[in-house]
Amino acid sequence: GENVEQHPSTLSVQEGDSAVIKCTYSDSASNYFPWYKQELGKGPQLIIDIRSNVGEKKDQRIAVTLNKTAKHFSLHITETQPEDSAVYFCAQGRGGKLIFGQGTELSVKP
Amino acid sequence: GAVVSQHPSWVICKSGTSVKIECRSLDFQATTMFWYRQFPKQSLMLMATSNEGSKATYEQGVEKDKFLINHASLTLSTLTVTSAHPEDSSFYICSARDEGGGVLYLYEQYFGPGTRLTVT
Repeated sequence: GENVEQHPSTLSVQEGDSAVIKCTYSDSASNYFPWYKQELGKGPQLIIDIRSNVGEKKDQRIAVTLNKTAKHFSLHITETQPEDSAVYFCAQGRGGKLIFGQGTELSVKP
Repeated sequence: GAVVSQHPSWVICKSGTSVKIECRSLDFQATTMFWYRQFPKQSLMLMATSNEGSKATYEQGVEKDKFLINHASLTLSTLTVTSAHPEDSSFYICSARDEGGGVLYLYEQYFGPGTRLTVT
């Protein structure tokens, strides 16, 4: 179908541990895969994105990996901090629009 | 750069009335803006694509006569919820596409802070 499948729906980690969120898509024509962080009562903020011509992109503690053959991409957060607690959404660019995953509620416990 | 604002941030209205939400791109021009709706604990659902100078394109299942969209300038799009009912209560979020980068940035969207609508 058109949906992007995102897992897990909730994730709880200890401060300092790593967190990984995975998304699977079906449209092989897609070539843009962003990740958004949404804090309670606020709009989503783009934290990292990747295009299909690369397999990995890193920005400090955040990295995204893309496997086009398997049609999945993942968000990796290392050395998690309490302020990383939020809802994270993956998305897939298709037809000029973004199709969002269901979201992952990340809780980082101090 | 790439800041998008929304006004109001929250609004309460009575059932049967209409309410207008504004979305502005503050430091760039946006030919295309998007309107999303988000219910609690759920994902963002695209309602419509707003095109400057032309009619909006609505997603399947979204009533165009109920959710009126106007995109009269390159920095402003408005969403009017007409004859609002309690089931229209939701978090409405707009986004804008900065097309200054050309086709390479076709999908990059910058989101506003959202508008919480409560219909009593």
